[in-house]
Amino acid sequence: NAGVTQTPKFQVLKTGQSMTLQCAQDMNHNSMYWYRQDPGMGLRLIYYSASEGTTDKGEVPNGYNVSRLNKREFSLRLESAAPSQTSVYFCASRDRGMFTYNEQFFGPGTRLTVL
Amino acid sequence: DAKTTQPTSMDCAEGRAANLPCNHSTISGNEYVYWYRQIHSQGPQYIIHGLKNNETNEMASLIITEDRKSSTLILPHATLRDTAVYYCIVLSSGGSNYKLTFGKGTLLTVNP
Repeated sequence: NAGVTQTPKFQVLKTGQSMTLQCAQDMNHNSMYWYRQDPGMGLRLIYYSASEGTTDKGEVPNGYNVSRLNKREFSLRLESAAPSQTSVYFCASRDRGMFTYNEQFFGPGTRLTVL
Repeated sequence: DAKTTQPTSMDCAEGRAANLPCNHSTISGNEYVYWYRQIHSQGPQYIIHGLKNNETNEMASLIITEDRKSSTLILPHATLRDTAVYYCIVLSSGGSNYKLTFGKGTLLTVNP
């Protein structure tokens, strides 16, 4: 099992450019999440998908869109990148079995710089 | 979800126990205490969770006070690889879609 994978690992954009961050998990998890982490801060939730076909806003959704393409994949899109979106982006997934607890499995992160 | 308070940083000698405290004085009856850690530049990693009783797994022990207003994560024999930021998170068991709210956590530095 690869767990949660993210691509790309690093990206530099110019202000106004668009891009999509990809996330995939091979654990057959129902729920998936996108977080961002700014220097010296904890993670903040951008969007999440409780199950395939559903998405909901988290704490900081402005400037982002998401797509739950299928059960495995959850992508995050920046339509017009801004310097304030310079951050490390983490994707996570979680099983939603009846007796499971909240262990979220995190990917390695995508380090994004917007100039 | 209840708010948590943790020290900004702590040091521990290699091989000794590391005791990381967390205050969650506004915790309610259906809220669990979760601990995650984040080693530099990596994604967070789940450690342990508990509701009322003390818990132990292969990574750590979690001690929750009887009034549940505070807890302590114990790494029994800290190694250099345990140097990380440790997050204490309080979360209800349902209705929140299990959205984790990370504070700034405690930076634990294990020294040789």
